[in-house]
Amino acid sequence: KQEVTQIPAALSVPEGENLVLNCSFTDSAIYNLQWFRQDPGKGLTSLLLIQSSQREQTSGRLNASLDKSSGRSTLYIAASQPGDSATYLCAVMAGGYQKVTFGIGTKLQVIP
Amino acid sequence: DGGITQSPKYLFRKEGQNVTLSCEQNLNHDAMYWYRQDPGQGLRLIYYSQIVNDFQKGDIAEGYSVSREKKESFPLTVTSAQKNPTAFYLCASSMSSGSYEQYFGPGTRLTVT
Repeated sequence: KQEVTQIPAALSVPEGENLVLNCSFTDSAIYNLQWFRQDPGKGLTSLLLIQSSQREQTSGRLNASLDKSSGRSTLYIAASQPGDSATYLCAVMAGGYQKVTFGIGTKLQVIP
Repeated sequence: DGGITQSPKYLFRKEGQNVTLSCEQNLNHDAMYWYRQDPGQGLRLIYYSQIVNDFQKGDIAEGYSVSREKKESFPLTVTSAQKNPTAFYLCASSMSSGSYEQYFGPGTRLTVT
């Protein structure tokens, strides 16, 4: 059974700092990995999706990497801003529609 | 604008009543999903549908039912058989080929007392 772990559970950083969020998964036979952002009481917003054949994806200040062999993905946020404060979730899709496993998330607070 | 809508945003029901949550998408996606989110837990899949008139149970389907009569719509009914229905419910959709990137609606918070 796929398990997805996100460390740390919470993170507080001063504005302007670069930071890394971690996601690890137990079964490396994945189809893709998706990073989401969730604001309190809201739905999930897709940030980046990495296909299993890719190593990384970039969007603006965000960069996500994937290492299937070690079962890890990282989300790098450059020059953090208070507006980046949210919970960041990773989700792993493995082979079938029903096999999407989510991590619990990392709650990020960027302090002005 | 393309997207997913869920209604209502907040829903309050008495124990023993069935309640239906709405989910509509105009992204022309074939696949639609219902998830439940509880504090301290990852999202859990309730039901998913790959095409119209077809759907499959997810990990926690007991006490829930769905229908998929139109491509755009995937309503979820929370029945009185669901033992702990109070939660945040999220609907999502994706293409059924290519990247399978999932897009989510804004969610419905259901409180049953």
